[in-house]
Amino acid sequence: AQSVSQHNHHVILSEAASLELGCNYSYGGTVNLFWYVQYPGQHLQLLLKYFSGDPLVKGIKGFEAEFIKSKFSFNLRKPSVQWSDTAEYFCAVYGYTDKLIFGTGTRLQVFP
Amino acid sequence: GAGVSQSPRYKVAKRGQDVALRCDPISGHVSLFWYQQALGQGPEFLTYFQNEAQLDKSGLPSDRFFAERPEGSVSTLKIQRTQQEDSAVYLCATSYQRGRTDTQYFGPGTRLTVL
Repeated sequence: AQSVSQHNHHVILSEAASLELGCNYSYGGTVNLFWYVQYPGQHLQLLLKYFSGDPLVKGIKGFEAEFIKSKFSFNLRKPSVQWSDTAEYFCAVYGYTDKLIFGTGTRLQVFP
Repeated sequence: GAGVSQSPRYKVAKRGQDVALRCDPISGHVSLFWYQQALGQGPEFLTYFQNEAQLDKSGLPSDRFFAERPEGSVSTLKIQRTQQEDSAVYLCATSYQRGRTDTQYFGPGTRLTVL
């Protein structure tokens, strides 16, 4: 079955530190890739998505992600985090199962 | 409204009770999805509607779970004879286009606790 792995369950950073959250998926065919974010007390919302074209995708709030097909990865990055980035981040993949498959999430805490 | 709304936000049920969870989609959104999110996990797909048609219910964990969207707008997820393992957050998401690859907009969820 298709699966999504997020290796970092809990990440703690100081403000201005750089961020990279890992996401790997199991299927090697055509995929659509997403990062969703859930801020404390808020709904899940889309951060960015990749369907095709440039593998480096830019999203809201300065986030970006790079699709590396050979590594089945779609890691999320931000050069300098802010306290307001404290949230839970979910990677999701749409592929042959015809369903959106989510990872288990990464909880990010940013301290001032 | 501006976003997807769900009600109730919290529901406590005694084991064996039936519950009904409501989802009000963004106006005009054709596709509607239900997900179950257990504690410490990501959302897991339950079912998918395109307008009033339920095109995929393969994620429903048992025949105690039933979903409907009779007029292609509001949807209800019903769980009969609730069990403790049904405790989770139930998320509704909608998207503008047909199909499943369009951006999904999530509601706040209903947290169900079965005692």
